[in-house]
Amino acid sequence: EAVMTQSPATLSVSPGESATLSCRASQSVTSNLAWYQHKPGQPPRLLIYGASTRATGIPARFSGSGSGTEFTLTISNLQSEDSAVYFCQQYNNRPPWTFGQGTKVEVK
Amino acid sequence: QVQLQESGPGLVKPSETLSLTCSVSGGSISSYYWTWIRQSPEKGLTWIGFIYSTGSTIYNPSLNGRVTISLDTSKNQISLRLTSVTAADTAVYYCARGFYGDYQDAWGQGTLVTVSS
Repeated sequence: EAVMTQSPATLSVSPGESATLSCRASQSVTSNLAWYQHKPGQPPRLLIYGASTRATGIPARFSGSGSGTEFTLTISNLQSEDSAVYFCQQYNNRPPWTFGQGTKVEVK
Repeated sequence: QVQLQESGPGLVKPSETLSLTCSVSGGSISSYYWTWIRQSPEKGLTWIGFIYSTGSTIYNPSLNGRVTISLDTSKNQISLRLTSVTAADTAVYYCARGFYGDYQDAWGQGTLVTVSS
């Protein structure tokens, strides 16, 4: 199973700016990668699956890219409500699936 | 919109069995995969296993056969049992839904379970 490594651990950005989050796999997961947003006290929310397909209702400000071992989540025009932990998950081949440790985004 | 809610004891003694229930509202549990995931500061997010609505299951081998996930379709609930718990099983436990057993499109808020005497 692939080990998922996210960077940076924390990202502080100003409203209106963009943020680029990285997720790296220890072995190829092809395009079988999802991104989630997790705010305190709320359930995690699916943002992206298939590395680049936005889930239902996710604004176009959120975009995913990459394949193989290198993936990126880009959040454009950051807003205060985007403050959250973002984590990636690979689901390639067969379970068990594995997750990154998360990137905390602070918008201030 | 589907909602998932985990429930169960917040404190379990070492060597005993952890039992949690996920109640699903706003939708049927049929034709979906139902996954349990846990999160601890030490290990981060760990995929525990899933069950399909037919009852077929896959578990994480790292849990050494201690896991059982089951369905109660009459109550729209999914259950998790983890036997012989230790302090390493202390975590927030989430249930989640997926169409294909891979990524999860709906999650519960999670419930904290502490293993301690």
